[in-house]
Amino acid sequence: DAGITQSPRHKVTETGTPVTLRCHQTENHRYMYWYRQDPGHGLRLIHYSYGVKDTDKGEVSDGYSVSRSKTEDFLLTLESATSSQTSVYFCAIRDAGSDRQHFGDGTRLSIL
Amino acid sequence: GQQLNQSPQSMFIQEGEDVSMNCTSSSIFNTWLWYKQDPGEGPVLLIALYKAGELTSNGRLTAQFGITRKDSFLNISASIPSDVGIYFCAGQLNNAGNMLTFGGGTRLMVKP
Repeated sequence: DAGITQSPRHKVTETGTPVTLRCHQTENHRYMYWYRQDPGHGLRLIHYSYGVKDTDKGEVSDGYSVSRSKTEDFLLTLESATSSQTSVYFCAIRDAGSDRQHFGDGTRLSIL
Repeated sequence: GQQLNQSPQSMFIQEGEDVSMNCTSSSIFNTWLWYKQDPGEGPVLLIALYKAGELTSNGRLTAQFGITRKDSFLNISASIPSDVGIYFCAGQLNNAGNMLTFGGGTRLMVKP
């Protein structure tokens, strides 16, 4: 257990509404990541953070924003959700001296 | 972006059989990682490989980092029912953020 908590675990919402997913970690890891998982695509990186207020885009960042105002929390926001953003979202953490990413249990998001 | 081709997409085997799966890339990676995902959970790291030609074992699992640095293999010996799940390969470059590129996954089903 890498001390990662994702919330909510499940959410159903309507197209056009804003949605924020939270990733909380308890072990002071520097790097945090948001991925989405869709059938046949494995996991694809949305955004990542390398410190408080330091973030960068991943492969599929369009339509998503992130914020990290403190070490333990990394928020993923969909400003105006679309049906194509229906997916399972995973948060991951990594220590600065390690190559290994460890994942949370995911948030299943359905946008109707 | 970079593509990782993972095969086979699914396997249905008898308990006790050995399993092989592989991942190929059009690009070179510095690190290869293999993860397993159980239903409703996040991926869990099984094996990490850091050097071309490296062969690493973790119990009944053995993985190899291909000589060309463009491929990796995972073998599971004497499969058991709890091996059921989805196995993902991931390649990593030592770039900013150490971002991972994932394969599409191999779904393993084991018949007792």
